Amino acid sequence: AQKITQTQPGMFVQEKEAVTLDCTYDTSDQSYGLFWYKQPSSGEMIFLIYQGSYDEQNATEGRYSLNFQKARKSANLVISASQLGDSAMYFCAMRGSYGQNFVFGPGTRLSVLP
Amino acid sequence: NAGVTQTPKFRILKIGQSMTLQCTQDMNHNYMYWYRQDPGMGLKLIYYSVGAGITDKGEVPNGYNVSRSTTEDFPLRLELAAPSQTSVYFCASKTEGFSGNTIYFGEGSWLTVV
Repeated sequence: AQKITQTQPGMFVQEKEAVTLDCTYDTSDQSYGLFWYKQPSSGEMIFLIYQGSYDEQNATEGRYSLNFQKARKSANLVISASQLGDSAMYFCAMRGSYGQNFVFGPGTRLSVLP
Repeated sequence: NAGVTQTPKFRILKIGQSMTLQCTQDMNHNYMYWYRQDPGMGLKLIYYSVGAGITDKGEVPNGYNVSRSTTEDFPLRLELAAPSQTSVYFCASKTEGFSGNTIYFGEGSWLTVV
């Protein structure tokens, strides 16, 4: 079974600073995918970034980067130059080898301070 | 570009009533999911389907039923609604197989059982 752990229920960051949101995972699959989603107060789920378990490079998408440490089973999200609009819930998620199972962590609420 | 469409967006049910949350996707995705999200919490998988005629239980299936008669539609049935089923329900879909393809979400259905 797969499990995602996000140990930070809430985080604060000053505008324009960088912030790291933690995610650790547990799986026995050799091949898997890791995802981060943003959920603003309006409720929709927004895909941010993806990392495959065999990808050698850390994924980057604009101001988002994923710090993937396979041996430690961690997939932390780094947001650079935080903006007020980054205030939201952030979810780490995992997809297993066969692609059909998609598991989410409990989320981290990020608040960006002006 | 419709993507994943859920109806209704809001609904209030009385205890013991039944209802169906509709979900349809126009991306020809084989995999479809139903999640629930309780206030301030992450997403929990209720049921999923890997193709027409195939469904399987997720983490929290009790009190729900699903069917998948077509690739496009994946309705979620609540029988004998209980206050514990007050939640936001998300339908989602993705292509099959192991790839970087993310999961696409509907906008959510807010359900209150009173």
